[in-house]
Amino acid sequence: GNSVTQMEGPVTLSEEAFLTINCTYTATGYPSLFWYVQYPGEGLQLLLKATKADDKGSNKGFEATYRKETTSFHLEKGSVQVSDSAVYFCALTGALNTGNQFYFGTGTSLTVIP
Amino acid sequence: GAGVSQSPRYKVAKRGQDVALRCDPISGHVSLFWYQQALGQGPEFLTYFQNEAQLDKSGLPSDRFFAERPEGSVSTLKIQRTQQEDSAVYLCASITSSGSGTQYFGPGTRLLVL
Repeated sequence: GNSVTQMEGPVTLSEEAFLTINCTYTATGYPSLFWYVQYPGEGLQLLLKATKADDKGSNKGFEATYRKETTSFHLEKGSVQVSDSAVYFCALTGALNTGNQFYFGTGTSLTVIP
Repeated sequence: GAGVSQSPRYKVAKRGQDVALRCDPISGHVSLFWYQQALGQGPEFLTYFQNEAQLDKSGLPSDRFFAERPEGSVSTLKIQRTQQEDSAVYLCASITSSGSGTQYFGPGTRLLVL
């Protein structure tokens, strides 16, 4: 079946540290991959996406590369800020015969301390 | 409106009560999804509409859950005879028919069943 596995949290980093949140997936066909972010008390917001192998999605200093050979879509940021504290979800859609349904990972909570 | 809206934002129900959760998608969005997000977990698919047609309801956990979108815009998720295990955040998302794959999420309704 289709699934997303992401790094367990919580993750606590100091401001300006380097961030990596691992995400791997299992899917049939050629899915699109996403990172969504959920700030406290808010809904899910799209952070970045990639629709085919070797594509790199980027936004607000975050980036992730669609690696088909390792079925991965790891999220990285070179220098985190306190305002990046949130829960991050890796997701996929467009797997074979699943239409637009999204499959989400369990989320990784990030806390950035000053 | 500018985004997906949901109401109520919070709902407390006594076990056995019926509840109705509303979703207003982005104007013109053809497809609408409902997800259930348990505490500390990622969203899990419940059901999917394209216009007024419910194309997939495979994620509904029991026949106590019912969703409708009679005019192809606003949708209501109804839960009959609520149980404590129904406590979760219920998320609505909408998507254009453009095939870009990006789902836009509402802020969710947090349901607590006592």
